Amino acid sequence: EAGVTQFPSHSVIEKGQTVTLRCDPISGHDNLYWYRRVMGKEIKFLLHFVKESKQDESGMPNNRFLAERTGGTYSTLKVQPAELEDSGVYFCASSQGFGTSGGYTQYFGPGTRLTVL
Amino acid sequence: AQSVTQLDSHVSVSEGTPVLLRCNYSSSYSPSLFWYVQHPNKGLQLLLKYTSAATLVKGINGFEAEFKKSETSFHLTKPSAHMSDAAEYFCVVSGGSQGNLIFGKGTKLSVKP
Repeated sequence: EAGVTQFPSHSVIEKGQTVTLRCDPISGHDNLYWYRRVMGKEIKFLLHFVKESKQDESGMPNNRFLAERTGGTYSTLKVQPAELEDSGVYFCASSQGFGTSGGYTQYFGPGTRLTVL
Repeated sequence: AQSVTQLDSHVSVSEGTPVLLRCNYSSSYSPSLFWYVQHPNKGLQLLLKYTSAATLVKGINGFEAEFKKSETSFHLTKPSAHMSDAAEYFCVVSGGSQGNLIFGKGTKLSVKP
């Protein structure tokens, strides 16, 4: 079974440019999450999709970030325009269900390292 | 609100000696707790999880963790460290009804030959 994949693995862009990150979840996982780790900080939640719907986007830092999951399969996270503080590692995760009672495991991709110069 | 505190940012052990990575949690309800590991240039891998069943949880690669409600702790242990255990370890609590995860700051484990 293929795991969560993310593309690209690395991206280096200049301030003001646009970058789009892609995540392909494990087949059959309706739940897809985006997280981010900026240097020196903890990994933080950005948003959660259930199928194609945004279930929780409380962690999105500002309106320069746009996440989509058309068709409920892969997801993209666009940063436009990118700022220096957006540099970090962006992780995607997927799970079969969500909620505390089930303790559903989130399976993570390898991450995309974004550097904004 | 839920949170986790990893008490050590760096831990160094010798190969063959025990590993102890400490984590305290705060939760307003019975939490789901996890330990994830990230090896250099790799993604996050689940080591083990606690979901209100047995308080002693066994994971992969010989790791285990014990949920202690009275101490609000979920420390990760391994009897004998191996060089391949060198990595960064994250203690994680499930953040709420939506299931988003809340991460500790991570503990970097070094293993000396």
